Amino acid sequence: NAGVTQTPKFQVLKTGQSMTLQCAQDMNHNSMYWYRQDPGMGLRLIYYSASEGTTDKGEVPNGYNVSRLNKREFSLRLESAAPSQTSVYFCASSTEIYGYTFGSGTRLTVV
Amino acid sequence: RKEVEQDPGPFNVPEGATVAFNCTYSNSASQSFFWYRQDCRKEPKLLMSVYSSGNEDGRFTAQLNRASQYISLLIRDSKLSDSATYLCVVRVLPGTASKLTFGTGTRLQVTL
Repeated sequence: NAGVTQTPKFQVLKTGQSMTLQCAQDMNHNSMYWYRQDPGMGLRLIYYSASEGTTDKGEVPNGYNVSRLNKREFSLRLESAAPSQTSVYFCASSTEIYGYTFGSGTRLTVV
Repeated sequence: RKEVEQDPGPFNVPEGATVAFNCTYSNSASQSFFWYRQDCRKEPKLLMSVYSSGNEDGRFTAQLNRASQYISLLIRDSKLSDSATYLCVVRVLPGTASKLTFGTGTRLQVTL
């Protein structure tokens, strides 16, 4: 009964370092999403994937890349981390009809 | 103007009180509506969908007014465990992607 699994849960990066956030779902959902959440800003969509093999930009895609590796997995990559990317990152998946199921989040600090 | 607007609160209410949150959305093409609950430092979780005719789930009642483009959530007999941030969420269906747009949330603190 895992739902959506995100790794890592916490990460500290130095400015300019790269990293990949991993996300996997076991609910056979077609759509997957990456959001970031900042105080006072709410959840903002970075990238989404409506189905395996497709990805599209969301509201705040700059500085990020994504890969929909297969139906289960959707990864988010920061090529050159910046302090402005300090945030909590949530992965989510959904069917076309219902709401999202979120992962437990990744707390990223860029120093 | 934000797509989904909520009063950030906090709403401080005593246990047993009734409290209501409102939310407005700007896109008249919005088709689906939800309330999510988010506990501190946790992921958002679906509380309930909001249907046009209004719907109830135990102590929680959700209403939708399409003409005025607002959604409400009523919590009766508040419990300490209801303390959380409540997110108003709207979905517009552009093509095949079912993206949700989140409000910034209303914080509720229930006290003894």
